[in-house]
Amino acid sequence: AQKVTQAQTEISVVEKEDVTLDCVYETRDTTYYLFWYKQPPSGELVFLIRRNSFDEQNEISGRYSWNFQKSTSSFNFTITASQVVDSAVYFCALTRDYKLSFGAGTTVTVRA
Amino acid sequence: DTGVSQDPRHKITKRGQNVTFRCDPISEHNRLYWYRQTLGQGPEFLTYFQNEAQLEKSRLLSDRFSAERPKGSFSTLEIQRTEQGDSAMYLCASSLVVSGATQNTQYFGPGTRLTVL
Repeated sequence: AQKVTQAQTEISVVEKEDVTLDCVYETRDTTYYLFWYKQPPSGELVFLIRRNSFDEQNEISGRYSWNFQKSTSSFNFTITASQVVDSAVYFCALTRDYKLSFGAGTTVTVRA
Repeated sequence: DTGVSQDPRHKITKRGQNVTFRCDPISEHNRLYWYRQTLGQGPEFLTYFQNEAQLEKSRLLSDRFSAERPKGSFSTLEIQRTEQGDSAMYLCASSLVVSGATQNTQYFGPGTRLTVL
């Protein structure tokens, strides 16, 4: 069975603060894929990043960065210098092939 | 490149009525997925298609639910005899999986929000 845990339900920050979202996963598969999606108030899930289990390199994309640590089964996401437009629900997800298993999501509120 | 589209965006119905939702995937994507999302939760997998073949159905998909993808392009999800517990956001996603690969990124549509009164 696959399971994703996002322990933080809600995070509230002031604009320009950094925010880190935690994601811990469980799987018995040796090959798997991890994802982060953003869901703004409009409701559409927006793809942010995909990582396979063999690629533990951290990645930075603009103000976003991801830290994948296989040893602790974690795939954390950091938003640097947050902006109001970053306010959304963020989901971490895991799959072996076709079925995405999502965490419960973390609601990020960035206050001006 | 046009994204995944879903219609309608909102549907309000009375208990016991049938409803049908439509999903148009990204053109040339061969896989299409349906998920359900209830308030405060992450999406849950319902079913998926590879071209026109429905390859897996979740146990969440009761006999009142049926999905089709008749020509391997758009898909419909029908719920018969709706119940209040069916109220949720129904999300569609699509992906392109090439031969030999097991996974590719799923791109989601805006969802259909169903309210059953």
